[in-house]
Amino acid sequence: DTEVTQTPKHLVMGMTNKKSLKCEQHMGHRAMYWYKQKAKKPPELMFVYSYEKLSINESVPSRFSPECPNSSLLNLHLHALQPEDSALYLCASSQVGQSNQPQHFGDGTRLSIL
Amino acid sequence: GNSVTQMEGPVTLSEEAFLTINCTYTATGYPSLFWYVQYPGEGLQLLLKATKADDKGSNKGFEATYRKETTSFHLEKGSVQVSDSAVYFCALSEEGTALIFGKGTTLSVSS
Repeated sequence: DTEVTQTPKHLVMGMTNKKSLKCEQHMGHRAMYWYKQKAKKPPELMFVYSYEKLSINESVPSRFSPECPNSSLLNLHLHALQPEDSALYLCASSQVGQSNQPQHFGDGTRLSIL
Repeated sequence: GNSVTQMEGPVTLSEEAFLTINCTYTATGYPSLFWYVQYPGEGLQLLLKATKADDKGSNKGFEATYRKETTSFHLEKGSVQVSDSAVYFCALSEEGTALIFGKGTTLSVSS
């Protein structure tokens, strides 16, 4: 069992739909991350939140909108996605400012865009 | 900039064979090094880590030693099992930078 919980596990949506991915952790971590992973590739960083504030946006298209409502929750709002956005979306959390501490990953949401 | 290079595989082994997956890194300072494993249909799990030179990380029979002189962090296991079949990612983390992954190595173990 992972300590980072992501819902839903699978999501199929059309290009005009609006949906949200959710992530929750109760390890007291104050850094949270969204990654995108394509098949057979390493995760690509999308966003980083530190103390509930957006600290890194890796030039992600505006059709992806992150939100961190509190220290335990992280959302990713999706709107008008493209077929190439189909991927596994991973959430992770870690201690802030401690590079010797690992990131903890959820099992991801597998997203398919029709 | 920082980077991680690992053998891409796929690596195909018989059960009980010895495993080595090579990983080398480039970093400007003193990074921490990690091996993550991803089983089919799952997220990444931390397998082991080392935070300074000559540290050895170990878990579930896997080992890796942080070698500053060769900038390497090779993953080894003496006797692999079918259940070890997965994708393995080497990664580094340095103060003020994001986690950097290698491209991943697919391991397939047959009985």
